[in-house]
Amino acid sequence: DIQMTQSPASLSASVGDRVTITCRASQGISNSLAWYQQKPGKAPELLLYDASRLDSGVPSRFSGSGSGTDYTLTITSLQPEDFGTYFCQHYYSTPKTFGQGTKVEVK
Amino acid sequence: QVQLVESGGGLVKPGGSLRLSCVASGFTFSNYYMSWIRQDPGEGLEWVSFISASGSTTYVADSLKGRFTISRDNAKNSVYLQMDSLRADDTAVYFCARDAGPYSRIEYWGRGTMVTVSS
Repeated sequence: DIQMTQSPASLSASVGDRVTITCRASQGISNSLAWYQQKPGKAPELLLYDASRLDSGVPSRFSGSGSGTDYTLTITSLQPEDFGTYFCQHYYSTPKTFGQGTKVEVK
Repeated sequence: QVQLVESGGGLVKPGGSLRLSCVASGFTFSNYYMSWIRQDPGEGLEWVSFISASGSTTYVADSLKGRFTISRDNAKNSVYLQMDSLRADDTAVYFCARDAGPYSRIEYWGRGTMVTVSS
């Protein structure tokens, strides 16, 4: 099974800050990676897929990059509504495992 | 719009069984792979199972094989998760989800149904 290691576990940042979350796979996953945002009490929602493709309707301040085993989600200018927990997930093979999540607090 | 509505969760004793259902609407159900994902109380996500559009191919996480079974009824726009020999560590919110493909992202999630395994 491919393990996904996400960091940091949590962060607190101010409105307008640049935020970076990383996800490392235990083996290469050929950009088969998605990022999801989850708000308390709600289901996760897709933000990006194929490592860098923005899902429909997702603000352009979200971006993704990476290759091989290392991937990054960047929020270029953090907004108040960006609070929540962010998860990465690979879909290179089964099981399609998730990272542990990064809880983002907006100061 | 795409809607996925889960049901069938609840409180069950260890060793018991539950069958979760998910009814889909807003898209051609028979064209899509569907998955179940669960989220434990510590809020980690675990991918549980998927089933192909026709139902001919299924996959269940190794740790759950033999206890969990996924199925679907395309005439009823529904996917199911049969859970047997339930244990305390199966306690979680169970989400139904639509996949973009067998090795692809999850495009849509349901709101989830809570399963609590406790005596």
